[in-house]
This record gives sequence, C-alpha cells and structure tokens, in this order.
Amino acid sequence: DIQMTQSPSSLSASVGDRVTITCRASQGISNWLAWYQQKPEKAPKSLIYATSVLQSGVPSRFSGSRSGTDFTLTISGLQPEDFATYYCQQYKSYPISFGQGTRLEIK
Amino acid sequence: EVQVVESGGGLVQPGGSLRLSCAASGFTFSNYCMSWVRQAPGKGLEWVANIKEDGSEKYYVDSVKGRFTISRDNAKNSLYLQMDSLRAEDTAVYYCARLYYTSGSCYAFSEYWGQGTLVTVSS
Repeated sequence: DIQMTQSPSSLSASVGDRVTITCRASQGISNWLAWYQQKPEKAPKSLIYATSVLQSGVPSRFSGSRSGTDFTLTISGLQPEDFATYYCQQYKSYPISFGQGTRLEIK
Repeated sequence: EVQVVESGGGLVQPGGSLRLSCAASGFTFSNYCMSWVRQAPGKGLEWVANIKEDGSEKYYVDSVKGRFTISRDNAKNSLYLQMDSLRAEDTAVYYCARLYYTSGSCYAFSEYWGQGTLVTVSS
C-alpha cells in the first residue's frame, strides 16, 4: 500500500502570504496526485489533479508541483477564503490513500 | 450543474446494517466511475470504495471488505453503499463522489462531492 505523508500538520499564515504544503509518497506514483480543500463542516472541494492541473474554477494562486515522490501545493497571495484544511491523495493504485491533512490558520 | 446527494445515514447499533444512497444529476451517470469516502469525527479523509461505470469492477479499503458492498443502478442514476456488521469505528460522515473521466477512462480523482451523510454506530 502507498502511504502519503503530509506536512506540516498545521500552519499559521497571514493574508497575502505565500504558503507551501508538502506531501511525500512512500513509493513512486508518477503524477497521480490530487489536492483537496475542506472548510469546517463542509464537503471537500477538488483543487488540483495530475499533480498540477487546476480544477475548473480554482483560482490561479493555487499551484502544484512534483519532485520525485515529493509533491507541493503552493498558494501565492493567501486570501481570507483560503483558510481551510488541505489534503493530498494518491490515485495511482488501490487502496487509494490520503495524506493526514494540513490545517491552514490565520495568524 | 453536477450534483450528488447522499441519504440514508442515521444511528445504528453495532452489528447492524444500513444502506446509503447517492442520487446523481446534471451528468450522464452511466459514463462515470463513482466513489464513497468517509470522515470520522475530527479526523481526516478515508477512501472506502470505488465502482466502475458499468459496475463490473469494485474496489474496497481492507477495513470494510466483506462487510460493505458498493453498487449502482444506472437506470436510476443512483449509487449505493450497503453496510453490514457495522462497528463503532465506522462512525463517520460518508461522502459520495464522482470520479474524473477522460478519453474513455476513469481515474480515481474525486471531482465532485456531495455534502455527506452521517452514520453513527452506537448502542
């Protein structure tokens, strides 16, 4: 099974900051990596798939990248609506697995 | 507009059964693979099961194999999750999701999510 290790588990930042969240896969998953955003008491929302492809309607301040088995979600110019929990997910093979989540809080 | 709406959650005793439903609209349901993902209170997301467009292939997380069954009725635009032998650790919000489809294949990326239905397993 593929394990996804996400870091940090929580992060404090200010509006306008640039933040980076990292997800490491326990083995190669090529570009089969997605990112989701979840706000309290709400369903997750898809942000990025195939490592770096933005889902329709997602602002361009969100971006994704990969270096080997390390994946990064970057938010450039944080907006108030971006404070939420973010999850990575590998979908290269079953069982599908998520990272533990990163809670992004307002500083 | 793509919509998936879950129903069927509730309180059930350990060892009991429950059937979740997911009603889909705004897209050609029979073209898409579908998924169930759950989230225990205060915890992260956990994938539960996927099913192919025609129901020919099904995949499960180990912790529910032999207890849960994913199925679909394409004529009714509906997805189901039959949950038997329920345990306290199955307590969670269960989300239905439409998976990504392109060029004749589906990929296990959850494009669209429902709002979820809460299942509580407790005596």
